[in-house]
Amino acid sequence: SQKIEQNSEALNIQEGKTATLTCNYTNYSPAYLQWYRQDPGRGPVFLLLIRENEKEKRKERLKVTFDTTLKQSLFHITASQPADSATYLCALGGFPSGGSYIPTFGRGTSLIVHP
Amino acid sequence: DGGITQSPKYLFRKEGQNVTLSCEQNLNHDAMYWYRQDPGQGLRLIYYSQIVNDFQKGDIAEGYSVSREKKESFPLTVTSAQKNPTAFYLCASRIPGKRDGELFFGEGSRLTVL
Repeated sequence: SQKIEQNSEALNIQEGKTATLTCNYTNYSPAYLQWYRQDPGRGPVFLLLIRENEKEKRKERLKVTFDTTLKQSLFHITASQPADSATYLCALGGFPSGGSYIPTFGRGTSLIVHP
Repeated sequence: DGGITQSPKYLFRKEGQNVTLSCEQNLNHDAMYWYRQDPGQGLRLIYYSQIVNDFQKGDIAEGYSVSREKKESFPLTVTSAQKNPTAFYLCASRIPGKRDGELFFGEGSRLTVL
């Protein structure tokens, strides 16, 4: 069955360092991958999209890579700040049965940036 | 400002009762979705609607029902048949015609069964 894996353990880093979060998947050939940020008790907010034919995308301090051979996406936050502390979700969309492109979400990884 | 409004934010229900969660959007999006989120789990799709008067079951539709009579509204009813309804419920919408378009989420409704 299709599986999306994000590290269940929280990632703790010091302010100013680069945070790297991982999203691995199996039994899936996604057409795209999205990253969202979720604060406690709030709805997720979209951050970045990367398509299957793209290797890397950047937006301000954010960078995402997509390796369809390794079946992995890495999400980087450079010069991290305490305000970046949140849970980050990856979501994959492709061609599941029925032809729907509805994204399927991982469980998310909590990032804690210490001042 | 355009967005998605979910209500109520917190809801308590006794066992055996049906409850309805409201989701309204003014983004003019055709597609709307309901997800359920439990601690330590990813978002799981309950129901989705690509257009008015049409909706489809997601991965965990049992014990839930929806309607889509208006483009702006996609209410979710949690019925007494849902065995473990305590969870955080998220409604979302998406720009039409974009297969890889991002989801716009509401702020969620937390349902607790007493």
